[in-house]
Amino acid sequence: GEDVEQSLFLSVREGDSSVINCTYTDSSSTYLYWYKQEPGAGLQLLTYIFSNMDMKQDQRLTVLLNKKDKHLSLRIADTQTGDSAIYFCAEKGLPSGAGSYQLTFGKGTKLSVIP
Amino acid sequence: KAGVTQTPRYLIKTRGQQVTLSCSPISGHRSVSWYQQTPGQGLQFLFEYFSETQRNKGNFPGRFSGRQFSNSRSEMNVSTLELGDSALYLCASSVTGQANVLTFGAGSRLTVL
Repeated sequence: GEDVEQSLFLSVREGDSSVINCTYTDSSSTYLYWYKQEPGAGLQLLTYIFSNMDMKQDQRLTVLLNKKDKHLSLRIADTQTGDSAIYFCAEKGLPSGAGSYQLTFGKGTKLSVIP
Repeated sequence: KAGVTQTPRYLIKTRGQQVTLSCSPISGHRSVSWYQQTPGQGLQFLFEYFSETQRNKGNFPGRFSGRQFSNSRSEMNVSTLELGDSALYLCASSVTGQANVLTFGAGSRLTVL
């Protein structure tokens, strides 16, 4: 079945850039997503990218997609202490027979920002 | 615009009991999905409802069930609770469309003793 892999931890200094990486196995993935989860909260959508795009930029966030290598990355520029959270990569494959979609999530990368 | 509302936020049950969790989607969202989040397994898809019909189901035992009402609100039920059912249960709603962006609620944290 589909699988999404992420490294579990990342530590960066405040003001530096953070790069969180993700690999996926489903070659039929149509959309790929980045979600953020803060302690005690649900998942907040940060950004998403369509599979025929290479890059998407949204303020401090840059998403890079290498479809050939099935590799997705999220770059956070000028990382702040408020960015400390768990970041999940997710992929959306082809729909089921009933037209339903489900997302397959990675285990999440815990980003710690050192002041 | 109100977000996805899940109730209760926290609950404690004992083994063998059953539990019902509720989810009110964003107004206008007709699709509701449920996910289980545990430290060991991460986020796993439970089921998805659209127009009161279950369209998709994850790999969970029959003790896990759900339903959706005509106003798109959804409930999930877990019967005969086991210790391993302790988890954060997340509900997400979406409009149908290409990107199918899921908007998540804050979750219901279930502890089974």
